Amino acid sequence: AQSVTQLGSHVSVSEGALVLLRCNYSSSVPPYLFWYVQYPNQGLQLLLKYTSAATLVKGINGFEAEFKKSETSFHLTKPSAHMSDAAEYFCAVSFNFGNEKLTFGTGTRLTIIP
Amino acid sequence: DTGVSQDPRHKITKRGQNVTFRCDPISEHNRLYWYRQTLGQGPEFLTYFQNEAQLEKSRLLSDRFSAERPKGSFSTLEIQRTEQGDSAMYLCASSLGWGPNTGELFFGEGSRLTVL
Repeated sequence: AQSVTQLGSHVSVSEGALVLLRCNYSSSVPPYLFWYVQYPNQGLQLLLKYTSAATLVKGINGFEAEFKKSETSFHLTKPSAHMSDAAEYFCAVSFNFGNEKLTFGTGTRLTIIP
Repeated sequence: DTGVSQDPRHKITKRGQNVTFRCDPISEHNRLYWYRQTLGQGPEFLTYFQNEAQLEKSRLLSDRFSAERPKGSFSTLEIQRTEQGDSAMYLCASSLGWGPNTGELFFGEGSRLTVL
């Protein structure tokens, strides 16, 4: 069955430091991959998605992710963390681009240290 | 604000009671989804509608759960004879459902259910 694993339920980085949130997927067929973010007291919103085009995907708020088939990974990065990046981040996978039935990871809570 | 709205935001009920949640999607979105999220977990797919047609239901959706989307607009999720294990955040999301926007879900803030 399709699944995603997010390594680290909590990640803390200093303001201005690199943000790296890890996501690995299990699949025998090409997946579609997503990162969603949930800010406090808000609904989840799409950060970026990979749909078999460019392997390096740029999203909102300076985030990007790289699809690496050999490593079955889709890690999320941002060169310089900002206080406003504090949120929970979810990686998700789909094998049917015809709908939005997604399988989500367990989430990573990002804390920014001033 | 024309985002996805859910009502009520919080519901506390006693075991065995019935509860109903309502979701109003973004008006031009033809797909509507229900997900459930428990503490420490990511959202889990429950069911989705294309207009008024319910196209898929998860095995998580026992026969105590029923969802409707009459007229392809708002949707309701009813849980009958609630159990403590039903305590969770119930998330509604909508999407345009086609073209380059496929995969982009717009989520509401959720309805939190606590079953005592």
